[in-house]
Amino acid sequence: EVQLVESGGGLVKPGGSLRLSCAASGFTFSTYSMNWVRQAPGKGLEWVSSITSTSHYIYYADSVKGRFTISRDNAKNSLYLQMNSLRAEDTAVYYCARDRDGITARPLFDYWGQGMLVTVSS
Amino acid sequence: DIQMTQSPSTLSASVGDRVTITCRASQSINNWLAWYQQKPGKAPNLLIYKASSLESGVPSRFSGSGSGTEFTLTISSLQPDDFATYYCQQHNSYSTFGQGTKVEIK
Repeated sequence: EVQLVESGGGLVKPGGSLRLSCAASGFTFSTYSMNWVRQAPGKGLEWVSSITSTSHYIYYADSVKGRFTISRDNAKNSLYLQMNSLRAEDTAVYYCARDRDGITARPLFDYWGQGMLVTVSS
Repeated sequence: DIQMTQSPSTLSASVGDRVTITCRASQSINNWLAWYQQKPGKAPNLLIYKASSLESGVPSRFSGSGSGTEFTLTISSLQPDDFATYYCQQHNSYSTFGQGTKVEIK
């Protein structure tokens, strides 16, 4: 069974940093591209970032470019999102999501984690 | 950036109704269009990909159509488990979601 479990969320002050982790199991993690998608409270979905299986290609939404860094450790079956210079508008539930087809720059999300709330507030 | 516009934002329907949700892209996305269902407090669930392909395990009452800039999700006979919010997603160029359509009980 495919499982994605996020951790590392919580309350952080504006301008602060946070690192999210996603532990994957039930599939060969090293062969799949992975993604982060977020959802502000009561709002819609927003793609945040994608990383290919070997970390060769990395993409970001304009809203987080230069502040967030996606990475992965295939030996640990883990995906990460380092979030710096956080703003109130980054407050959201962050989901890690597996890419179904692995077509570069065309992410399609077939399995999702349960989500992790990040709150940016003073 | 490609913008995705869904309509309606809210839809009131009864069990057994045929329901159609529309998604329009600001430019052609060929058939790189997916549909997701999301229930409160849960992660989204992939229903349809490549505009009209049914994801494994998804009931056949769900169907998708369209290409270019106009797409539809149809639920042929609404079931109690289908009351949820539905999102379209373009993945022709990175990813953008529509704003969502909430299907509620009439």
